[in-house]
Amino acid sequence: GDSVTQMEGPVTLSEEAFLTINCTYTATGYPSLFWYVQYPGEGLQLLLKATKADDKGSNKGFEATYRKETTSFHLEKGSVQVSDSAVYFCALSTSGTYKYIFGTGTRLKVLA
Amino acid sequence: DTGVSQNPRHKITKRGQNVTFRCDPISEHNRLYWYRQTLGQGPEFLTYFQNEAQLEKSRLLSDRFSAERPKGSFSTLEIQRTEQGDSAMYLCASSFVRTEYSGNTIYFGEGSWLTVV
Repeated sequence: GDSVTQMEGPVTLSEEAFLTINCTYTATGYPSLFWYVQYPGEGLQLLLKATKADDKGSNKGFEATYRKETTSFHLEKGSVQVSDSAVYFCALSTSGTYKYIFGTGTRLKVLA
Repeated sequence: DTGVSQNPRHKITKRGQNVTFRCDPISEHNRLYWYRQTLGQGPEFLTYFQNEAQLEKSRLLSDRFSAERPKGSFSTLEIQRTEQGDSAMYLCASSFVRTEYSGNTIYFGEGSWLTVV
């Protein structure tokens, strides 16, 4: 079945460091890919998405490129801030399905 | 647009009691989802509604769980005879679907935490 694999956390970085959170997927169809962020005690918020191969999603300085050849959707940010500390979830959905499949999440901690 | 609203936000109950959670989706969203999230895990799909019709239930949803969406607006998730293993955050999400498209975005509420003691 469809699945999403994320790198395990926690990831601890200093402010202004470069961030990469790896995400790979397995899907039988042609999925759309998403990154969601969850702050402590809150629900999930959409961060960015890409709906076809080679698309790049971006928002708030975060970027991720849909790589069909490597089945990946890695999240990157050039300079992280303390306020970026949260749990990040990679997810996919495929045409004709009604449910999103989430990875286990990667906790990011940014130190001042 | 007030977003997806869930209540109660927190519920502590004794094992064996029944609990009910309510979700108010974004207005005009025709699709509503319930997910469950345990500590250190990603959300797991439980069930979804298209308008008032419940179209799919996960195997995670035992017979003790029931969800409704009367009139295609708000939804309730009831857990009967709660067990300690039911302790989790229950997330509601909604979306507007005009055509089946994998890029449809779902919007989550803040979740309802359940602790069974």
